Amino acid sequence: GAVVSQHPSWVICKSGTSVKIECRSLDFQATTMFWYRQFPKQSLMLMATSNEGSKATYEQGVEKDKFLINHASLTLSTLTVTSAHPEDSSFYICTAGVTDTQYFGPGTRLTVL
Amino acid sequence: KQEVTQIPAALSVPEGENLVLNCSFTDSAIYNLQWFRQDPGKGLTSLLLIQSSQREQTSGRLNASLDKSSGRSTLYIAASQPGDSATYLCAVYGGATNKLIFGTGTLLAVQP
Repeated sequence: GAVVSQHPSWVICKSGTSVKIECRSLDFQATTMFWYRQFPKQSLMLMATSNEGSKATYEQGVEKDKFLINHASLTLSTLTVTSAHPEDSSFYICTAGVTDTQYFGPGTRLTVL
Repeated sequence: KQEVTQIPAALSVPEGENLVLNCSFTDSAIYNLQWFRQDPGKGLTSLLLIQSSQREQTSGRLNASLDKSSGRSTLYIAASQPGDSATYLCAVYGGATNKLIFGTGTLLAVQP
């Protein structure tokens, strides 16, 4: 079956630093990847849509200069949280897929001190 | 813009009861709908995936139905157990914007 990995699975960083999260499709090529974040006791909110070889499309209210998304290949998309602050602490999940099916990564828990 | 709503937001039932969780969506031009459970502090566990051409899917004590024309899906859990306690999320993929959108979630507690 299609497998999507995320790395790291959890990360703790100091306020003001940048953190990169990787999303990889391990056994298929993904033309589209979605990035979500989830605050405690809330649902998953779509942050951006990432298409290979083009700029990401961000949802309203998501700062594109703060959450940098790069989809450099058909198997890898990265989300970089720049100058992270405690309010960026959240659970980040990616999906990867083709056509009409998306597969889910296990998530990355970010804690900013 | 696709909006996905789940009712109820929270539900508490005694063990052994059958229960129904509801998911409604505003844009019916979807590829598929998926149900997940999420345990506290954990990632998503996929339960059932219903393609747009299907009306229902079953797995063990779980049955999910899809009525695309009315923008509704239900997740039926038979003979609930304390281990079923979790947050249940539905997600729809497709629509005019071709995005994957999650519902608001239902927090289920099954009392022993």
